Amino acid sequence: AQSVTQLGSHVSVSEGALVLLRCNYSSSVPPYLFWYVQYPNQGLQLLLKYTTGATLVKGINGFEAEFKKSETSFHLTKPSAHMSDAAEYFCAVGAGRGNQGGKLIFGQGTELSVKP
Amino acid sequence: GAVVSQHPSRVICKSGTSVKIECRSLDFQATTMFWYRQFPKQSLMLMATSNEGSKATYEQGVEKDKFLINHASLTLSTLTVTSAHPEDSSFYICSARPSYDTQYFGPGTRLTVL
Repeated sequence: AQSVTQLGSHVSVSEGALVLLRCNYSSSVPPYLFWYVQYPNQGLQLLLKYTTGATLVKGINGFEAEFKKSETSFHLTKPSAHMSDAAEYFCAVGAGRGNQGGKLIFGQGTELSVKP
Repeated sequence: GAVVSQHPSRVICKSGTSVKIECRSLDFQATTMFWYRQFPKQSLMLMATSNEGSKATYEQGVEKDKFLINHASLTLSTLTVTSAHPEDSSFYICSARPSYDTQYFGPGTRLTVL
């Protein structure tokens, strides 16, 4: 079975400050890991994903995440927050090739607020 | 590229009626599409996996007779909410999978049942 836990349902940062959104996962098979962003009343946009290979993954809009197997974590970071980063962020885990048809299990979401 | 559309974006219906939501992959083919439900301020809950040319696979607790899914082609999946009731009001989101490790999401459909 797989699960995702996002620590902190709401994170508030000042514009220009570091953004850190935490995600821990549980998986009995090698995981595929994803971060998505959702703006109000919209669908989800893929920020970045980890499947295999390099554990530091760079995504769109200056975001990056590092897969740490020993810590079962996939935290999302951005060096300098912009006002436009304010949104809901979801971490998700997939079962990987050969398992469960690529279904994604989502975390509870973290709402990011950016203060001027 | 990789655009997924949903139609309608919003729908209001009376209790007891049926509503059909379409999910289309506009610039790629997807043998698999997924349907999710999202309540306000909550995460996405997978309802079912839609496979082209075969029956959908429903998650535990999802009524397959109430939420009918048809994956008619490699670019179109439909979700029909039959005999809708106010508790079915929600935000429904589909996704389409062009490759095993990637899903692209539609913009969502807001269903309100009066």
